[in-house]
Amino acid sequence: DADVTQTPRNRITKTGKRIMLECSQTKGHDRMYWYRQDPGLGLRLIYYSFDVKDINKGEISDGYSVSRQAQAKFSLSLESAIPNQTALYFCATGGQYNEQFFGPGTRLTVL
Amino acid sequence: DQQVKQNSPSLSVQEGRISILNCDYTNSMFDYFLWYKKYPAEGPTFLISISSIKDKNEDGRFTVFLNKSAKHLSLHIVPSQPGDSAVYFCAASGWGTGNQFYFGTGTSLTVIP
Repeated sequence: DADVTQTPRNRITKTGKRIMLECSQTKGHDRMYWYRQDPGLGLRLIYYSFDVKDINKGEISDGYSVSRQAQAKFSLSLESAIPNQTALYFCATGGQYNEQFFGPGTRLTVL
Repeated sequence: DQQVKQNSPSLSVQEGRISILNCDYTNSMFDYFLWYKKYPAEGPTFLISISSIKDKNEDGRFTVFLNKSAKHLSLHIVPSQPGDSAVYFCAASGWGTGNQFYFGTGTSLTVIP
């Protein structure tokens, strides 16, 4: 089984809809991250969490919120989706020597 | 403002030759650098890293070089293999940056058989 799983893998939604992306990890790491990838822009950090009680904004947090329900679960919400939030979203967990382990990604399309 | 830059969006190399991927950074607080490899429809996977106390780290066919004065790092792949064809991202972090990771825009490597 994969160490980091993301659901859904693909999602098409309409402008104004609320959507939640979920991430689970079995690596036992405290640190979890949400990134988005856009063509030509690489990966940009949205939110990160160093433990269940610690949530931090990243580079591009506007329009997003997160919830750390447990050490193993970190979900990302778009309260009112807009078309420029169309992107590939990755969840990651922090490793012992700072390397990160990524999930397979969620492709989100906002029409 | 992009703190980590990969100025070459793509690179093509013959199988068996050396691939050199470059990365520049602007923030002098970065003290840990990583390279990730990404295949289509998959998440990035960790490849190799280097701490700022070193100038070279080697792992099999992969070597990362760090030039702190130039704020530049490079990834060398020798010999290149067709399976190395992927997008490569460099990333940087540091205690002074809140331990956030900053990624470059990626370089798409194609190894031609």
